[in-house]
Amino acid sequence: EAGVAQSPRYKIIEKRQSVAFWCNPISGHATLYWYQQILGQGPKLLIQFQNNGVVDDSQLPKDRFSAERLKGVDSTLKIQPAKLEDSAVYLCATRGRSYEQYFGPGTRLTVT
Amino acid sequence: SQQGEEDPQALSIQEGENATMNCSYKTSINNLQWYRQNSGRGLVHLILIRSNEREKHSGRLRVTLDTSKKSSSLLITASRAADTASYFCATNQGAQKLVFGQGTRLTINP
Repeated sequence: EAGVAQSPRYKIIEKRQSVAFWCNPISGHATLYWYQQILGQGPKLLIQFQNNGVVDDSQLPKDRFSAERLKGVDSTLKIQPAKLEDSAVYLCATRGRSYEQYFGPGTRLTVT
Repeated sequence: SQQGEEDPQALSIQEGENATMNCSYKTSINNLQWYRQNSGRGLVHLILIRSNEREKHSGRLRVTLDTSKKSSSLLITASRAADTASYFCATNQGAQKLVFGQGTRLTINP
């Protein structure tokens, strides 16, 4: 089966600019996650969707980050405005009926 | 916040040796999972152990879980160069949410 797709793979922006990341999940996977992974650390959950509803966004900095999942399939994560500390890899993961999560390749964001 | 803490942070061994990584966590869990991350393949699920299990095997991987000590270990036997990667434990506390540790960077020397 096709894996989780993410784009772009790399993005360089200046602080205070905006950026958006896109994720296409594995077909049929109802649960979708966005993680932030700072260099040298483990992934940190930003938001969890079940179909197109938000299950957990407790660690999403809502003053600058937003996310949506259109029709319970694709998802976008937006940062506006970006700060230097937002430099990280943004990972999308999806889950079917099993407990394991399937991760996309990630988007490496550099904020200068 | 990070739930799991891996130990050691970095490990370097010779090819063919066994590698052991440990993970400690703080709260009750439903299951604990181990993931591998390398530059070529991203983050990949390795093995899951449920809270009522004590040991599980998958190929060259052996995972143990001690819920009384809130700790788990991952053993990779007969290591290969391709095992070079970062390894993360992740705890599932319910609602299908995973909390990852900081990871162990494993280097296999030829």
